[in-house]
Amino acid sequence: GDSVTQMEGPVTLSEEAFLTINCTYTATGYPSLFWYVQYPGEGLQLLLKATKADDKGSNKGFEATYRKETTSFHLEKGSVQVSDSAVYFCAPRTAGGTSYGKLTFGQGTILTVHP
Amino acid sequence: GAVVSQHPSWVICKSGTSVKIECRSLDFQATTMFWYRQFPKQSLMLMATSNEGSKATYEQGVEKDKFLINHASLTLSTLTVTSAHPEDSSFYICSARAYEQYFGPGTRLTVT
Repeated sequence: GDSVTQMEGPVTLSEEAFLTINCTYTATGYPSLFWYVQYPGEGLQLLLKATKADDKGSNKGFEATYRKETTSFHLEKGSVQVSDSAVYFCAPRTAGGTSYGKLTFGQGTILTVHP
Repeated sequence: GAVVSQHPSWVICKSGTSVKIECRSLDFQATTMFWYRQFPKQSLMLMATSNEGSKATYEQGVEKDKFLINHASLTLSTLTVTSAHPEDSSFYICSARAYEQYFGPGTRLTVT
């Protein structure tokens, strides 16, 4: 089955620092790739996505590029803010077959940003 | 738009009793809803997928007689944990799919 390996946290950064959260995956077929964010006390929210190789998803200053050759989808942000403190989940979504639309989540990476 | 609610947000029940958790899509119709379980500091584990008007599809290892799922309408799915035990204590999250998947805020279940 599909699987995801995410950079282990927690990650602690100072405000305006550069952020990278690594994500690699194994999946059957040609999955779409997602990053979800879970702020304290809230449900998961879609942060960004990419649906084909070399696509770059971006939102709120975050970016991730679909790298088919390395099966990776690393999340980056050039300058983090305190409000970015949250848990980040990488998730491929299976394409086709009987499991269409099924998300497989990584273990989550806790990010804490200090002023 | 695309809001998913869950009720209750937290519940405490005694061992051996049953508890029902509701998941509603508030401003859209969802033919497919998903139920996940999340342990502390761990990933979300998909429990089952439910389609409106049909039986839920359970993931391997999930007891369908223990975790009853009903998806009676396009905006409501329920998860009933029957004969709950302390090991069922967890954070349960639902999501509803329109074009993308939208997640509810989760329900914290504690079984004493």
